[in-house]
Order: sequence, then structure tokens, then C-alpha cells
Amino acid sequence: SAVISQKPSRDICQRGTSLTIQCQVDSQVTMMFWYRQQPGQSLTLIATANQGSEATYESGFVIDKFPISRPNLTFSTLTVSNMSPEDSSIYLCSAIEAPQVNTEAFFGQGTRLTVV
Amino acid sequence: DAKTTQPTSMDCAEGRAANLPCNHSTISGNEYVYWYRQIHSQGPQYIIHGLKNNETNEMASLIITEDRKSSTLILPHATLRDTAVYYCIVGVTDKLIFGTGTRLQVFP
Repeated sequence: SAVISQKPSRDICQRGTSLTIQCQVDSQVTMMFWYRQQPGQSLTLIATANQGSEATYESGFVIDKFPISRPNLTFSTLTVSNMSPEDSSIYLCSAIEAPQVNTEAFFGQGTRLTVV
Repeated sequence: DAKTTQPTSMDCAEGRAANLPCNHSTISGNEYVYWYRQIHSQGPQYIIHGLKNNETNEMASLIITEDRKSSTLILPHATLRDTAVYYCIVGVTDKLIFGTGTRLQVFP
């Protein structure tokens, strides 16, 4: 099973600044995703990170606010731009190795972001 | 993607079976039923999935009704470590859309 590491695990940031979260998978995966989990809430899908092309964003999320990169099959980054206190959440990276064969999704432990 | 309905919370005594229901009346023919759980302060963990047949693995059993409009996740012998939020998700093999889940509390 794939192991996903996220960095940083937590951070406290000033409003108006940006934070880049890294997601590293220990094996090549077909699909990678980014989720947000606000305090006491369920997970909300932000976008699908596509290798070598622009990410596919869900309704309510835009590239200017959450730029995503995926340079290869094992790594992705999510940037939270121009942060406000409303961006305080846990951000989770997820990956699926091979949707046609094994549909299990793996998740990182999340990045706990507090914006002050 | 089809939506799911789950009870907000459930309790279960340690050692007993925990039966977590899920309604998904608008499920499409090619959509799977997935179950994940999230233990406090951790990322979600895959439990089991199925299309139309009942499934069993080392963690749990998944019972899907014949019309596929509902399912039940069974943890045969619940332990305190099974205390978590359990998510029933319906969809195809790519992105997962999480609902609100069931908060299962296992008590001694």
C-alpha cells in the first residue's frame, strides 16, 4: 500500500501570506487529490492534481487561490494563497495507485493550518 | 455522484458487532459503495468497497441490498480503537466525495 507524507504537518501563518504544502508518495500513483477539512466538518475535495497539466478544480475552488503542481507520479504541492482566517483547516493529500485495478485511496496525515 | 445518508452517531459496546447503515437510493449501475473511516486527528483509512455482491475482508463485512439502494458496514467485534467517523461513499473509481459520516463511539 502507498504511504503518503505531507509537509509541514502543521503551521501558523499570518494573514495575507501563502503556504505551500508538499505531498510525497512512496510509489508511483495514477491519481492525486487535495482535500480540505474545516474544523468539525467532513472532507471537501479541492481538486484533482494532474501530472503535467493544470489541476481540475471542484466548484468553489479556483486556481488563483489554490495553485497545484504535480511534476511527476509521486509528488504534488498545494499552495494556499493570500490566506485569511477562513482558510484555517486541515489540508489532506490523497492518492489512488491504479483506479482500474485497485480502487483504494490512501491519505496523508494532513497539514493543520492556522491563519492568524 | 450519488448522495448518501447516514446516521449522525451510533454507540456500540466493546466486543459486540457494530452495524453501520447507509442509504444511497440514487446510486447508478456503475457506482461502487466505499467505506472509509477517520480516527481523530488522522487521515481517512480505507475499509472496504463493493459493487453489488457482499464483501468481507480482515476489517469488516459489507452487505449491499439486492436493489443496491442501501448497505451496511459490519465490524464483527468492535474494539475501543474502532471509535471513529465512518464515511459511506458512492461513486466510480476516481475521486471520492465525502458526506457527513457516522460517528461511532465504542464503549467498554
